[in-house]
Order: sequence, then structure tokens, then C-alpha cells
Amino acid sequence: AQSVSQHNHHVILSEAASLELGCNYSYGGTVNLFWYVQYPGQHLQLLLKYFSGDPLVKGIKGFEAEFIKSKFSFNLRKPSVQWSDTAEYFCAVNTWNYGQNFVFGPGTRLSVLP
Amino acid sequence: DGGITQSPKYLFRKEGQNVTLSCEQNLNHDAMYWYRQDPGQGLRLIYYSQIVNDFQKGDIAEGYSVSREKKESFPLTVTSAQKNPTAFYLCASTEGGFEQFFGPGTRLTVL
Repeated sequence: AQSVSQHNHHVILSEAASLELGCNYSYGGTVNLFWYVQYPGQHLQLLLKYFSGDPLVKGIKGFEAEFIKSKFSFNLRKPSVQWSDTAEYFCAVNTWNYGQNFVFGPGTRLSVLP
Repeated sequence: DGGITQSPKYLFRKEGQNVTLSCEQNLNHDAMYWYRQDPGQGLRLIYYSQIVNDFQKGDIAEGYSVSREKKESFPLTVTSAQKNPTAFYLCASTEGGFEQFFGPGTRLTVL
């Protein structure tokens, strides 16, 4: 069965610190990769996605992620976090042999201190 | 505005009762999903439907039931057989598996 792991349950940073959230998946075939964010009291929304091509993808609000196929990883980064980035972040995988289904990681809660 | 609506936002249920959570989308998406979100466990798939009149069990379907009579609607019933139903329930839809769009969620509490 496919699975997605996220390295940290809760990350606490000060404003302007750099962020890297780890994500690994367990599927050897072609994958589509996603990072979703859930701000307090708001819908889950897409931050960025990777389907093919350049393994470094840029998303909204200054986030980016790098797909490293050999490591089965899709880590999320931001050079300088803001208080408004406080949220829960979910990594997700979709594979074509899994139909239109998505497997989500357990989430990482990010708290940014002002 | 296109999107997904879920109702109610909060729902309280007595033990032994069935309750139905509503999910409607006007995105014209074929596929719809129900997830359960618990702290520290991410989103777990309950049921999904890729076309009207067809649906499949996800990883944690026991104690839940769904129907898909219309493309835009995918209601979820939490039955009395679900042993631990208190959770946050999210509905989503997608077209072609390229991105999922989520509703605002329903928080169910069993009293």
C-alpha cells in the first residue's frame, strides 16, 4: 500500500527563519505530488503541485518544493517565514494506478512566533 | 463562484443515531471524496466516487455509507455502527486527479 510520511509533527520557528518540511512517499512508479495547507479556520488549499518536468516547483506565498525521485522525497521550503504562515501542512501523492485517489501524510503543524 | 459546500458546519449526535452530512459541488467534477481528519493522523479516505451511481470504499469505510445519485451531490451517512465518529469530515472533488478541491468541513461530535 502506498504511504506518505512527514518528518515533523510540529515545527516552531521565529519570523524570518527558513523553513523546510520533509515528505517521503512509498511508491516506485510515476507520481503526482502535492502540498496542501490548512490555515486556522479555513479550507484546505493547494500550495503547489508537481506532475512532471522541472523538479523544483514554485507555489503560492513564496513556497517551493523539490522532487528528488531517487529519495522518494518532495520537501517543502520557504526562505523566510511570516507569522501568517502558521498553519497545518499536508503532503499528498496521487498515482495513476491508484485511479484518482490521493494519499495524504499525517500533516505538520507550523507555528511561527512573531 | 465555483466550489464545494458542506453542511452543517457543526453537528451533534447522540449515541445510536445515524446522521447525514451534506456535500455539494458546482465544479462539474466527476470524482468526489469523503475524508476524516483526526489530529496527528492526516486525512483518511472513507469513500470515493468516480462517477454517478458508483462509489468505492476507502481505507476506513466501516460504519459509514454514501450515495451518488447526482453528479453534484455526495452525502455521507455516519451510522450507529461507527464506533468513534467524533471527528472533522472533509469532502473533496477532482477532475482527472490533477488537484483536489476541498469543502469547509463538518465537525461531528457525539454526545
